[in-house]
Amino acid sequence: DIQMTQSPASLSASVGETVTITCRASENIYSYLAWYQQKQGKSPQLLVYNAKTLAEGVPSRFSGSGSGTQFSLKINSLQPEDFGSYYCQHHYGTPFTFGSGTKLEIK
Amino acid sequence: QIQLVQSGPELKKPGETVRISCKASGYTFTTAGMQWVQKMPGKGLKWIGWINTHSGVPKYAEDFKGRFAFSLETSASTAYLQISNLKNEDTATYFCARYGDYGGAMDYWGQGTSVTVSS
Repeated sequence: DIQMTQSPASLSASVGETVTITCRASENIYSYLAWYQQKQGKSPQLLVYNAKTLAEGVPSRFSGSGSGTQFSLKINSLQPEDFGSYYCQHHYGTPFTFGSGTKLEIK
Repeated sequence: QIQLVQSGPELKKPGETVRISCKASGYTFTTAGMQWVQKMPGKGLKWIGWINTHSGVPKYAEDFKGRFAFSLETSASTAYLQISNLKNEDTATYFCARYGDYGGAMDYWGQGTSVTVSS
């Protein structure tokens, strides 16, 4: 199975700052990488699929990049509503493994 | 609009069985598979597997083979997750999510069903 290594596990940033979360796949997954945001007590929400395509309704301050085994999610100009947990997930053949998650705290 | 509505919270004893439902609306049920995800308290998301809603063929992650089973009631646009011989460590929130148009990325999610296993 493909393993997804996500970092950092947590980070704290101020409103207006830019943050980057990274995800590494244990083998080549081409661009089959999705990012999700989950807020406490809520369902996860799809942010990015195919590594860099924003899901419908996702603000443009979010961007995804990467291919092969190295990926990142960048959030420009952090907003208070961006707090929560972020997960990467590959969607290149089952099982669709998730990364361990990144908890983003707004300072 | 597309919606996935799951059944309510469950409190079960070890050894019992639970069945969670996920009712889809706003699209043709058999045109998109259904995935299931586990979220244990304080832990990350874990992919349980998915079921092809057209053929009914399920696929399970290794850790979920044996006691976890997917089923469908196509006429009611509903997918089910059944967990048998419940264990304390099955305590979690379970989500259904649509196998969307983006090659496996989950584009719509249910609200989650909390399952608590305690004697």
